[in-house]
Amino acid sequence: DAMVIQNPRYQVTQFGKPVTLSCSQTLNHNVMYWYQQKSSQAPKLLFHYYDKDFNNEADTPDNFQSRRPNTSFCFLDIRSPGLGDAAMYLCATSFPSGSLDTEAFFGQGTRLTVV
Amino acid sequence: AQRVTQPEKLLSVFKGAPVELKCNYSYSGSPELFWYVQYSRQRLQLLLRHISRESIKGFTADLNKGETSFHLKKPFAQEEDSAMYYCAPFLGFFQKLVFGTGTRLLVSP
Repeated sequence: DAMVIQNPRYQVTQFGKPVTLSCSQTLNHNVMYWYQQKSSQAPKLLFHYYDKDFNNEADTPDNFQSRRPNTSFCFLDIRSPGLGDAAMYLCATSFPSGSLDTEAFFGQGTRLTVV
Repeated sequence: AQRVTQPEKLLSVFKGAPVELKCNYSYSGSPELFWYVQYSRQRLQLLLRHISRESIKGFTADLNKGETSFHLKKPFAQEEDSAMYYCAPFLGFFQKLVFGTGTRLLVSP
């Protein structure tokens, strides 16, 4: 049973049109991550939440925002997608450092196409 | 600079050959270290963590704090090991998981 679910699996959006990707988890993990993975590249951390605390990576463009209304859900908003934002977006969850198990669980990803 | 380095982008071996995927890190403190694997068309998943010192699917990884390395090894590679492998430090102070550049392992029959 999938424990980290991303919707949709595939998203096509128009250049400049806001888009929202969603992630839900059934693991009750404190930490939720969003990664951007472009073709043949490693996942690049955009930001993460530790409970309600939001942590943005220094090089994440302002165009990317996130919301976490509750423990189970997290959203990635791209305010004005550009062609360079086309990528696979991965959501992951884990317990925090100091926990017995800090294994991260990943969703299947959302492949974003910008036309 | 704080980073994790996987020097080989592609490692191609024949079935039955030994495999070593290198990982060097330069983070202060003592990050937890993991290897994650991504098989074709599957989600990223945990392969190994340094704390448990276990062997998974024949793979082992030894943390060498002196050399700041966490190389992944398997004595006899199998075709089903073909995948993308990422070394990933979990930076406890920042509560975040980051990824190395990745090594694609290709095991040929």
